[in-house]
Amino acid sequence: DQQVKQNSPSLSVQEGRISILNCDYTNSMFDYFLWYKKYPAEGPTFLISISSIKDKNEDGRFTVFLNKSAKHLSLHIVPSQPGDSAVYFCAATPLVAIYNQGGKLIFGQGTELSVKP
Amino acid sequence: GAVVSQHPSRVICKSGTSVKIECRSLDFQATTMFWYRQFPKQSLMLMATSNEGSKATYEQGVEKDKFLINHASLTLSTLTVTSAHPEDSSFYICSARLPRNNEQFFGPGTRLTVL
Repeated sequence: DQQVKQNSPSLSVQEGRISILNCDYTNSMFDYFLWYKKYPAEGPTFLISISSIKDKNEDGRFTVFLNKSAKHLSLHIVPSQPGDSAVYFCAATPLVAIYNQGGKLIFGQGTELSVKP
Repeated sequence: GAVVSQHPSRVICKSGTSVKIECRSLDFQATTMFWYRQFPKQSLMLMATSNEGSKATYEQGVEKDKFLINHASLTLSTLTVTSAHPEDSSFYICSARLPRNNEQFFGPGTRLTVL
């Protein structure tokens, strides 16, 4: 049972345009969401997060939007740069788990973003 | 920032042998570390949560006798794949939780190939 889904395995965008990566979740207990960026043969690096008390969080070129009723979140990158080319994973967890010894993250399948010059 | 290392980065072994992978938090102490496994084009699947000084907590479907986890110190957790088989070939990634804000920092991963 895939609780976190990224239905687009790949996305290609022109440099300077907006990249929109989508993520859906099914578990209503999830209230904290994270986006990670991963290069081949490397571990994921944290990009941005959002808790369910917000519907938007912005950090530079990266903005995450959360639609709780639709159980959907998206990551917007604008303007996109060639260096943004990587696999992007969304992850979800109950916020209370972050502060407990559990704290496990449930990941989506990832979306491979290619930004073309 | 917090740095997590893994060793080795790549290992090739024969079927039936055991392989140990180390995960180290280099500049912080981590009471909790996590082990993930990733198959090509798939998500990172949590295998187990490693707690310093106590037994690891395994996710459903993960054989604890096959994937031995030892978290003997606040900066080191090891994953031993015992009696490895070709189907164990995968990318294994660890993460360590930074205590002050509970953020997870990931290691670079270990590519295991079992022949």
